Formats: sequence, structure tokens, C-alpha cells
Amino acid sequence: SQTIHQWPATLVQPVGSPLSLECTVEGTSNPNLYWYRQAAGRGLQLLFYSVGIGQISSEVPQNLSASRPQDRQFILSSKKLLLSDSGFYLCAWSVGSGGFDEQYFGPGTRLTVT
Amino acid sequence: QQQVKQSPQSLIVQKGGISIINCAYENTAFDYFPWYQQFPGKGPALLIAIRPDVSEKKEGRFTISFNKSAKQFSLHIMDSQPGDSATYFCAAYHSGYSTLTFGKGTMLLVSP
Repeated sequence: SQTIHQWPATLVQPVGSPLSLECTVEGTSNPNLYWYRQAAGRGLQLLFYSVGIGQISSEVPQNLSASRPQDRQFILSSKKLLLSDSGFYLCAWSVGSGGFDEQYFGPGTRLTVT
Repeated sequence: QQQVKQSPQSLIVQKGGISIINCAYENTAFDYFPWYQQFPGKGPALLIAIRPDVSEKKEGRFTISFNKSAKQFSLHIMDSQPGDSATYFCAAYHSGYSTLTFGKGTMLLVSP
């Protein structure tokens, strides 16, 4: 069966510090991978998605970046965090079927920038 | 053109009642309309999804109604239970990009 892992579960970082959040998927090959941010009252905002190694699409211009160094690994990074980067970060995966590809979400990382 | 509008923001329903959440979209290129359920501190999970060529889909106590001409769809939870208390997100899926656009969510509380 497929599982998705995210770490860390919670993180408190000062403004201006770097960020690295990691997401890994087990039990599937060549998944589509997604990073979302969830802020209170704003729903889920798609930040990045990837259909393959090294292929990253950005949905929202910001000080965040994403990388996919391996097939089932997706990393969200920032060189300098802003207060507005606080939120609940969710990684998700899907497998392309040509129709509706259900996205499966990880447990999330709660980031607080102080 | 990518926006999905969801209402209400919050909803309180008595146990056994019907919960109704509404969504509207703009982009006619969307081709699936799922609903996700999220419990506090957890990631969302797919609840039910509908294609735009279907007007209604029912799974247990959960029903999606879809109005293509009005570009609106809704989730009905029949016989609502305290265990249904969660945040519900509607979404619109674009198969060309394999991406979801989410509404802002509805926090449902079912009182015992």
C-alpha cells in the first residue's frame, strides 16, 4: 500500500532563517507530487506541483522553492522565511490516469515563523 | 478564472439534520468536482467526486448535486452525525494539469 510521509510535523523558525520541508511517498512509482499551504480562512493554496524528477511548476510567486531530487521525494525550501510563510504545509501525491486523479495528502507540517 | 467560491464559511447543524455546503466555479475547463473532508491537524481526504455530465451522485449519507449551466455544485450530508464535524472543501479539477483548485472551506459542527 502507498504511504506518504512529511517531516517535521511542527516547526518554529525565526524570520530570515532558511526552511527545508521534506515529503516522501512509498509504494508507487512516478507519482505527481504537490505542495499546498493552508492558512486560516484561505483554504488550500497550491504552491508547486511536479510530474517528474526535476520538473517543477510554480503556481504562486513567492520566496519559496521546490525540488524533486528523486522520483518519490519532494522538498520545499526557502532561503529566508517571512512572517507570512506561517501556515500548515501539506504534501500530496497522485498517479495520472487520464481522468480524475485523486490526490492523497500527507499529515502536514505546522510552520510558525516568529 | 481559477477561483472556486464556497459558502458558508461555517455551519452548525443538529444531529440528524441536513448539512448543505455550496460552491461555484468560473472556469468551464474544470472537469471533475471533488469534495474533501479534513479533521483538525490532519490532511484532507477525498469524500466524493462528480463529473460535470452527471447531475447528482450519492454515496451513503453524502450527495453531490451539480448544476452545469449555473456552474454550481453542492454537498448534502443527510442525517448529520457529530463524527461528521470537520472542515469540508470543495474543489475543481483540471485534468490537463492534474491540479485541484480548492474553495476556502466550510467548518461544520454537528451538535449532539
